[in-house]
Amino acid sequence: DQQVKQNSPSLSVQEGRISILNCDYTNSMFDYFLWYKKYPAEGPTFLISISSIKDKNEDGRFTVFLNKSAKHLSLHIVPSQPGDSAVYFCAASSSGSARQLTFGSGTQLTVLP
Amino acid sequence: KAGVTQTPRYLIKTRGQQVTLSCSPISGHRSVSWYQQTPGQGLQFLFEYFSETQRNKGNFPGRFSGRQFSNSRSEMNVSTLELGDSALYLCASSLAPGLERAPRFGPGTRLTVT
Repeated sequence: DQQVKQNSPSLSVQEGRISILNCDYTNSMFDYFLWYKKYPAEGPTFLISISSIKDKNEDGRFTVFLNKSAKHLSLHIVPSQPGDSAVYFCAASSSGSARQLTFGSGTQLTVLP
Repeated sequence: KAGVTQTPRYLIKTRGQQVTLSCSPISGHRSVSWYQQTPGQGLQFLFEYFSETQRNKGNFPGRFSGRQFSNSRSEMNVSTLELGDSALYLCASSLAPGLERAPRFGPGTRLTVT
């Protein structure tokens, strides 16, 4: 069963606008959530993370929101830039297995100039 | 600070052979984990090593194994290769348990089994 789900395989956004990528999880033991960006033939690049004791974390143009009751998190990118075009993966882990990440299937973001 | 390095970057093997992939973590990182990425299954956790001991293992057959050396470098081995083992194998390193929990990934080794 998929414990981390990204239901949108792709998303297109105009340059300068906001990109919102969504992720849902089912495992209540998850208490740490991460977003990675990936280009073809490269490894994932860490973007931002959030602990379950918070509901928001911000780093420059990237903000992650966590809604624990809905088991939902989202990544906001403002403003979006063409260089942001990549596959974005949501991942989760639990304290008992802190470095064992469970990944979503990814969302291809395309930022149009 | 240099990132995670993986060698080789590309590899072509024949069904039935075995393969060894290598990973050097970021300096100071003592935990190394391995992931497999395939189009059908996505990114899946293989195993994690810390202090030369396997700490966690994913749901993969025993043909997949690994080890970690005293300098934190890690290798993973796949024996009796099958066509379905064709994938991008990613290594990630982290600080010691209890510290920062965001693993940093290397560029991966692209394995093709023919």
